Amino acid sequence: DSGVTQTPKHLITATGQRVTLRCSPRSGDLSVYWYQQSLDQGLQFLIHYYNGEERAKGNILERFSAQQFPDLHSELNLSSLELGDSALYFCASSGRDFTGELFFGEGSRLTVL
Amino acid sequence: EDQVTQSPEALRLQEGESSSLNCSYTVSGLRGLFWYRQDPGKGPEFLFTLYSAGEEKEKERLKATLTKKESFLHITAPKPEDSATYLCAVLPPSWGKLQFGAGTQVVVTP
Repeated sequence: DSGVTQTPKHLITATGQRVTLRCSPRSGDLSVYWYQQSLDQGLQFLIHYYNGEERAKGNILERFSAQQFPDLHSELNLSSLELGDSALYFCASSGRDFTGELFFGEGSRLTVL
Repeated sequence: EDQVTQSPEALRLQEGESSSLNCSYTVSGLRGLFWYRQDPGKGPEFLFTLYSAGEEKEKERLKATLTKKESFLHITAPKPEDSATYLCAVLPPSWGKLQFGAGTQVVVTP
């Protein structure tokens, strides 16, 4: 158990809909990262927050947005969903700002029908 | 663009049959190379950090090494529980964007 909690574990929705994925980092970790993993793309970096501030952005679509709240939990909002958004979405946390030593949650599996 | 390439894509080993996985990168000014293990349907699990050429790290049957252009993950006398996808990732000078390779899927049969 990494200590990172993600909800929901599974989500099935329709095209055009909006969903919110939630992440609680390990106790004491200030950094939260979001990654998308699909079969053909591998693990793709979406966005990184540190103590509520956005630190870095990857190839995150404009339809996607994220935020980190004062209690350090984070939410990833996906809107106007398309079939191609079906993937595993991972949240990871770390105790330092920029580091490669990340602790990943179990992921949220999104299926868009 | 910075590239991280892992080979082979898949590896099937007999229990006890040692082998090596390769991770090559084109990032200059590397701030770290990281190895992760991922089991099906689970999040990646951090294994090792390597910072400079010549550095080595070991954990049970796994040993990671780093040169200026690539890293190797050696699996010595593997057991079926070592079956997983092994991912390497690099942290470039621009920070913030840990870039993962596509992974090597390892299957160890009894």
